[in-house]
Amino acid sequence: GAGVSQSPSNKVTEKGKDVELRCDPISGHTALYWYRQSLGQGLEFLIYFQGNSAPDKSGLPSDRFSAERTGGSVSTLTIQRTQQEDSAVYLCASSRGTGGRRTDTQYFGPGTRLTVL
Amino acid sequence: AQSVTQPDIHITVSEGASLELRCNYSYGATPYLFWYVQSPGQGLQLLLKYFSGDTLVQGIKGFEAEFKRSQSSFNLRKPSVHWSDAAEYFCAVGAGTASKLTFGTGTRLQVTL
Repeated sequence: GAGVSQSPSNKVTEKGKDVELRCDPISGHTALYWYRQSLGQGLEFLIYFQGNSAPDKSGLPSDRFSAERTGGSVSTLTIQRTQQEDSAVYLCASSRGTGGRRTDTQYFGPGTRLTVL
Repeated sequence: AQSVTQPDIHITVSEGASLELRCNYSYGATPYLFWYVQSPGQGLQLLLKYFSGDTLVQGIKGFEAEFKRSQSSFNLRKPSVHWSDAAEYFCAVGAGTASKLTFGTGTRLQVTL
C-alpha cells in the first residue's frame, strides 16, 4: 500500500472490555513497531516485529497487552480487560528491516485513538 | 540506554521568522537521529534523518538539522516559518538495526500571523 494504515481510527470502550487494534504496514516492510502516545507519558515503544517474530517486547506495560503478526504483514495489538489508563493513541510504524547496522527509517500510520470509559 | 531531551515544550514564532528547535540526545555509540512532525489528529511524518556523513542534513518542507557530536545535539532549523508549520515536533534517536526509536517529549510550535 501507499502508507501504513490502522483501524479503527477511533475506539471507545468500557472498562474491562477487550479491544483489538489493527495495523497494515507498507508493502514489503518486514519490520513493524507499535508505540503508544499519551499525555502523561509521551511517545512510548511497545513492541517490535521482524517478520512474524517479536524480538523486542520490552515496552508492553503489562500482561494484558499482547500483539501478533501474521504472514509477515498485518499486526494486531490486543488489550484485555482495558483500564482507563490505557486511553491513548496507539501508533504503528513499519520499516524495511533489511538489516545492517543502522536504524531503519520508520514510517508511521495515523494511529488509533482509544478511549476507555 | 538512549534518551532524548527537547527542552522547549512550546514555542511561538511569527510567520516569516526563523525557527530553531532544540534536541539533545544521550547515547554511547553512533546515534541515528530523526525529526518527525505531527499535525493535530495525524500520525508522525518524517522531516529528516541523520545517519552519518555530512552533519548538516536537509529535509522536507525547507527544514534542516545540524548534528553536533561535541554538544550531543541535533537542532532543527527553518529560515522562514509558514503558518502551516504549526504542529508538534519530535526528535528521536535509534540505537541500531531495526531498533525502537526513543522520542523526546516534543515541542509544540505555534505560528502567529
